[in-house]
Amino acid sequence: QLLLRESGPGLVKPSETLSLTCSVSGGSLSTYDYQWGWIRQPPGKGLQWIGSMFYTGSTFYTPSLKGRVSMSADTSQNTFSLRLYSVTAADTGIYFCARQTYDWGPGAFLDSWGQGHLVSV
Amino acid sequence: SYELTQPPSVSVSPGQTARITCSGDALPQKYAYWYQQKSGRAPVLIIYQDRKRPSGIPERFSGSKSGTVATLTVSGAQLEDEGDYYCFSSDISVNQRMFGGGTKLTVL
Repeated sequence: QLLLRESGPGLVKPSETLSLTCSVSGGSLSTYDYQWGWIRQPPGKGLQWIGSMFYTGSTFYTPSLKGRVSMSADTSQNTFSLRLYSVTAADTGIYFCARQTYDWGPGAFLDSWGQGHLVSV
Repeated sequence: SYELTQPPSVSVSPGQTARITCSGDALPQKYAYWYQQKSGRAPVLIIYQDRKRPSGIPERFSGSKSGTVATLTVSGAQLEDEGDYYCFSSDISVNQRMFGGGTKLTVL
C-alpha cells in the first residue's frame, strides 16, 4: 500500500521560504506512470492544486503561484519537495502531498494522499 | 484562468436526493472527478472518470456529465454524507489541474 507523509516546519516567518518534503513508501517515485503533486487548503477554505512533477524534474505549476513555487525530487530518498518563496499570511494552511495519475489526454486525478501538514505564516 | 464552479452549499433532509453541480468550459473534453472531505482530513475519491465509483464507495453516490456540467448525485442522503465535496478536473492545456470551489453538503 502506498503511503505518503509530509514533513517540515509548522511555522514560517513572513517573506521567508516554506519548505516541505513528502516521503513516499510502498512504491517508487521513479516511474512515468505517475506524477507527484502538492495541494493546499487555507483555513476554512477550499482545496487548491499547487502543482505536480515527474520524478525526472519536469514540473507544472498553477499559474497563480508561478514564480514563487518550485518542486524537486530526490529519487535516492524516494521523496519530493515543495518550496514556496516570499510567503505571507495568505499562504497559511494545510499542505497535502499526493500521487497523481498519468494523463493520457482526458485528465488525471489524485489517487493517494498524505495526511496533510499545517503550516502557519 | 480556467475555473470550475460549484454551488457553495446544498442542503437536503435524510433520505432525499442531493445534487451538486460543477461547471467548466473544458469538461466536454476532460473527465470530472469528485472528492469528499470531512473536517480538514485528506479528501477521499468518490467518483472518477465522470461516473465510475471506486470500490468501497456506497452505491448512493453517482456521477454524470452533460456538456460543460458535471453532477454528483447522492441518492438517499444519510447524515454521514455531510461534508465538503470538490470536483477536480483539467484545463485544455494538459498538466494544468484545478479543484472547484467546493460545496458543503448538509443533511438535516
